[in-house]
Amino acid sequence: DQQVKQNSPSLSVQEGRISILNCDYTNSMFDYFLWYKKYPAEGPTFLISISSIKDKNEDGRFTVFLNKSAKHLSLHIVPSQPGDSAVYFCAALRFGNEKLTFGTGTRLTIIP
Amino acid sequence: DTEVTQTPKHLVMGMTNKKSLKCEQHMGHRAMYWYKQKAKKPPELMFVYSYEKLSINESVPSRFSPECPNSSLLNLHLHALQPEDSALYLCASSQEPHEQYFGPGTRLTVT
Repeated sequence: DQQVKQNSPSLSVQEGRISILNCDYTNSMFDYFLWYKKYPAEGPTFLISISSIKDKNEDGRFTVFLNKSAKHLSLHIVPSQPGDSAVYFCAALRFGNEKLTFGTGTRLTIIP
Repeated sequence: DTEVTQTPKHLVMGMTNKKSLKCEQHMGHRAMYWYKQKAKKPPELMFVYSYEKLSINESVPSRFSPECPNSSLLNLHLHALQPEDSALYLCASSQEPHEQYFGPGTRLTVT
């Protein structure tokens, strides 16, 4: 049962434009959502998180939006840069449970 | 500093070998984790240690044996592995579970 889904396996965006990565979840009990970026042969790098009591969190070029009624979150990267080319995973967490449930990932390619 | 280090970077072992993976963090985090990641799949949780005590074992086969000698170190002892255990093994640490920081991983190949 895939509780966290990223339905787009890949995405290509022109440098300087906005990249929007999407994530859907089925478990309404999740309390926190996280985004990670992963380069090949490296561990995931934590980017940004959002609590389920908020609908937006911003950190520099990265903004995460949460729509609880739709069970949907998105990561916006503005402006997109070549170094943003990587696989992006969303993940979800319940309070009192240390386990991150990851989505399947979206490969983002920034076109110069 | 949000660095988690893992050694070795690569490991090739036969099915009868015994080897260990090592993870270290100096951020004072209370929790440390082992994840396994197969190609084109998301990381999957294996074990969690909180304050040096095993708090979660995700029904991992006994050929994987975790150990937390102190708050900065986490080991994963490997014995009698199968070829399907070949994967990237990731260590992470956190003070709060919603901010887990990952190491670079150990690429394990079982022959």
